[in-house]
Amino acid sequence: EAQVTQNPRYLITVTGKKLTVTCSQNMNHEYMSWYRQDPGLGLRQIYYSMNVEVTDKGDVPEGYKVSRKEKRNFPLILESPSPNQTSLYFCASSPLRGVGGANYGYTFGSGTRLTVV
Amino acid sequence: SQQGEEDPQALSIQEGENATMNCSYKTSINNLQWYRQNSGRGLVHLILIRSNEREKHSGRLRVTLDTSKKSSSLLITASRAADTASYFCATWLTDTDKLIFGTGTRLQVFP
Repeated sequence: EAQVTQNPRYLITVTGKKLTVTCSQNMNHEYMSWYRQDPGLGLRQIYYSMNVEVTDKGDVPEGYKVSRKEKRNFPLILESPSPNQTSLYFCASSPLRGVGGANYGYTFGSGTRLTVV
Repeated sequence: SQQGEEDPQALSIQEGENATMNCSYKTSINNLQWYRQNSGRGLVHLILIRSNEREKHSGRLRVTLDTSKKSSSLLITASRAADTASYFCATWLTDTDKLIFGTGTRLQVFP
């Protein structure tokens, strides 16, 4: 089954304790992205990657790191989590954009609900 | 404010009625997409309309795009209780690699 798999689904951690949220897709998609979703703010893009070893900042990258060493994996790293990073996180992937721009929808993972206390 | 803003923020209807949601945006786009999200779960892609298209259909969904007004609408015909969800529009900005989401419309369909 074509899917984006995120782990863990739920995570409670303490301020300052480094954590990694994993994301893996089995569709051979070039493009992967991380979003956070907060009430009243919709989804905001954190980082995205056009292909292996190519990453770029989205709209809210502060406090996050990513890496893309393999095409299928795009982990999100919080080096020193803070309470304002409590949120619902989504990983998404799509084929690389075609002629004239991106003409494919995203496939989303099921989400990771992170609480930082 | 957001690149994409949905209107209304919340909508309640009876089964069998049609539901219309609107999306306005600010800057030039390559395409506009609509997604559905059931409570707290991942978003599901519904339909994509390119900037040179005016209308698109998929099953009970009809999407229109008016680039002169920078607006789009999503019509769900003959709504079912299973259509209860939040609906988001997302715009792929021209000459960028970004898909920007709006804040969503919460649709409640009563049996």
